[in-house]
Amino acid sequence: DTGVSQNPRHKITKRGQNVTFRCDPISEHNRLYWYRQTLGQGPEFLTYFQNEAQLEKSRLLSDRFSAERPKGSFSTLEIQRTEQGDSAMYLCASSLGDSGGAREQYFGPGTRLTVT
Amino acid sequence: KNQVEQSPQSLIILEGKNCTLQCNYTVSPFSNLRWYKQDTGRGPVSLTIMTFSENTKSNGRYTATLDADTKQSSLHITSAQLSDSASYICVVSARMDSSYKLIFGSGTRLLVRP
Repeated sequence: DTGVSQNPRHKITKRGQNVTFRCDPISEHNRLYWYRQTLGQGPEFLTYFQNEAQLEKSRLLSDRFSAERPKGSFSTLEIQRTEQGDSAMYLCASSLGDSGGAREQYFGPGTRLTVT
Repeated sequence: KNQVEQSPQSLIILEGKNCTLQCNYTVSPFSNLRWYKQDTGRGPVSLTIMTFSENTKSNGRYTATLDADTKQSSLHITSAQLSDSASYICVVSARMDSSYKLIFGSGTRLLVRP
């Protein structure tokens, strides 16, 4: 257990429905990252927050995706009008400062989304 | 283009044997290189982080090497255990303007058989 939690762990939804995932980072971590991972691939960056500010969004994050971190603590990722191509593992990670600069990035267990 | 390539894609070894996983990268400017272990259905867990000046780093039975000149890294697992069955992901950090970008490889899937 890395200290980063995600809920739900699994979500099955029908195409066209909206879904929301939650991530609770390690409490003192100011950076929070969202990734998407499909089978047999490494994680792909979606977006990240520094405290409550969303500082970067990947081109993968279409208009149907929105993420928030309202109080600089937990974060939510919402997908509207889900499509079958959204089926993937959604990973959250947190770090103290910029994790690219040799700081540890701690991942949660992920939320597995299946769109039928 | 910044890329991280891992080989082999998958590997099967017997319990107690050693193995080596490879990672080649074309990432610039290089900041650091990490190896993660990811169990099926779980998030990745960090094994090692190496900066430019570090050639080797160990974490128990895991030893990572880095050759920044040839842009290659390897992860050596000694005396493999059944619990080592997982995907191993190589991640390279690139310095971009005032921030960093993590570039992930696709991973090597390791299966350790009794």
